[in-house]
Amino acid sequence: DVEMVESGGDLVQPGRSLTLSCAISGFDFRTHWMSWVRQAPGKGLEWVANINKDGSEKNFVDSVKGRFFVSRDIYESILYLEMTDLRVEDTAVYYCARTYEPTRGLDHWGRGTLVTVSS
Amino acid sequence: DIRLTQSPSSLSASVGDIVTFTCRASQNIDNWLAWYQQKPGKAPKLLISSTSILQSGVPSRFSGSGSGTDFALTISGLEPEDFATYYCQMANTAPDSFGQGSKLEIK
Repeated sequence: DVEMVESGGDLVQPGRSLTLSCAISGFDFRTHWMSWVRQAPGKGLEWVANINKDGSEKNFVDSVKGRFFVSRDIYESILYLEMTDLRVEDTAVYYCARTYEPTRGLDHWGRGTLVTVSS
Repeated sequence: DIRLTQSPSSLSASVGDIVTFTCRASQNIDNWLAWYQQKPGKAPKLLISSTSILQSGVPSRFSGSGSGTDFALTISGLEPEDFATYYCQMANTAPDSFGQGSKLEIK
């Protein structure tokens, strides 16, 4: 079965950095685009970033460009989101999700990990 | 960037009702639109992608339609487990934005 487990969420101060991980099993990690989506407390979903199959193409929402970086370790089947210069408004549950290639829907999601940015 | 606007923001309905949510894109996105269901404290669940393709295991009472800039999600015959928040998402070009969500509540 497909399983995706996020980790690394924490309480951090503004301006600090944090790296999230998404451990993947149950499918060939190399054959899917992957995404990060976040949800601030009580708010809607916000697409954050995605990365293509071999890691050569990455896209980000404007609000995190230059601060967040996405990467993938195809040997360990882990997706990463490195977050720098964190802001209070980055506080959210962060989900990793798999793209279903034919339709580009996000067909599998992790349970999420909470990042709280506060002084 | 392309923006998605969902309506209504919230809707009260009863079991057995037929309900429709709409999603309007600020530019043509062809058929690259997906719909998700999210329940409190849970990750979103993909219901429909490419406008109208039902994800495996999703009941046939869910259907999607539209093209270009105007899309709809219809639930024909609400079941108790359908009360949740629904989001549309575009997937034709980054950023793959979500709509703001439509909350379906029990009347």
